[in-house]
Order: sequence, then C-alpha cells, then structure tokens
Amino acid sequence: EAGVAQSPRYKIIEKRQSVAFWCNPISGHATLYWYQQILGQGPKLLIQFQNNGVVDDSQLPKDRFSAERLKGVDSTLKIQPAKLEDSAVYLCASSFRGQDQETQYFGPGTRLLVL
Amino acid sequence: AQTVTQSQPEMSVQEAETVTLSCTYDTSENNYYLFWYKQPPSRQMILVIRQEAYKQQNATENRFSVNFQKAAKSFSLKISDSQLGDTAMYFCAFIPSNTGNQFYFGTGTSLTVIP
Repeated sequence: EAGVAQSPRYKIIEKRQSVAFWCNPISGHATLYWYQQILGQGPKLLIQFQNNGVVDDSQLPKDRFSAERLKGVDSTLKIQPAKLEDSAVYLCASSFRGQDQETQYFGPGTRLLVL
Repeated sequence: AQTVTQSQPEMSVQEAETVTLSCTYDTSENNYYLFWYKQPPSRQMILVIRQEAYKQQNATENRFSVNFQKAAKSFSLKISDSQLGDTAMYFCAFIPSNTGNQFYFGTGTSLTVIP
C-alpha cells in the first residue's frame, strides 16, 4: 500500500513570496490533515478535512494560509505572503474512517525555509 | 483542555539496553486513544504503537511496549534491546474519541542509541 505522498520535499523562498504544498493521501482515506511542525516542537494541526469538507481550521492563520481538497482526494496548502516565522516542516496525514480511524499516517513532510 | 507532556527532552541508551520514555496527559474525557510516533532525522513520522483507553491490557509491538496507567494519566513507552535505528524523536499523542480525530502531541523526546 502506497503511503502519503507530499511534494516538494524542500522549498526555500523569500519573505512575502507565495508557496504551495501538495499532498496525496493513502487511497481510501477520507480524512486529511495538515500540520505545521516548527523545529524542536510537536506538530500543530492547521486544518482537517473530511472528504472535501473542512472539519477544523481553527488554528489556520487565514489571513495568509489557505487549503483546499477538491474532489476529496489530493489537497494543497498555500501560504501567501510568507513570513519568516512560517519556516517549518509541513506534514500531511490521512486516516481511514473505519475500525482504525483514529490512527493517522504521515507523509515525509515539506521543509520550508523563509529567508 | 487537552494537554500532553513529555518531560524528557533528550535521552540516550546503550545499544541492546532498555529505555523508557515518559508521557503524561490531561483530559476529562473517558474514551480516547494514545499513540507513540517515531520521527527519525528523515522527518517521516512513523506509528510505533497505539493504545485504546478502554483496554486495560498494555499494548506491545515486538520490542516496543507501553505502560498505560489510566488513573494516573500516564503512558510510557519501553524500548527493549535498543538498536541504532531507534535513534529518533519520539512523540506521544492523544485523541479524544469525540472531537473529530484531532491529535494532541507532546513536545517530543530525542532518543539517541549509543553503539
């Protein structure tokens, strides 16, 4: 079974530029999550999708961050404009709505550096 | 509020020895799930072990086992016969069963296995 895919793996941009990350969850997983992980900290949930609907985006800085999950499969996370403090690893995870629905499976992450 | 505390920022263990990583959590929920995730330097977050709060029996997965003390809200991870590949950050995570699968992560413990 293929895991959660993310791209790009690394991205370096200057502040005030825009950036987008892509995530493809495990096939059949209805729930998709985006996390921000700042160096030395645990992941922080940014947004959670159930199919193509948003379940929780309470910690998403909506003035600069946006995310969508068209067709309930792939998802993109965008930052516009980026700030220095956005430097972090952005993790995508997915889970299956079923017996094992509580377990989240993570992608390799996208490491963003904002200069 | 739900919180997860990992009080050991860094630990080390000799190869083939046993080490225990601690985790405590705070919740008013009665039904929830607990997880340990491993994050090697490659940044891929990998599930190590999970525990359902309604199960009294401690979960085990090969060399990994937990000591789940529900009354004390404690969930420690024991790694037996430590191997060099166990070197990683270890995150304790918690999900109440009724909040739409939002994970709460601890700040992590950096484990180094010394040859």
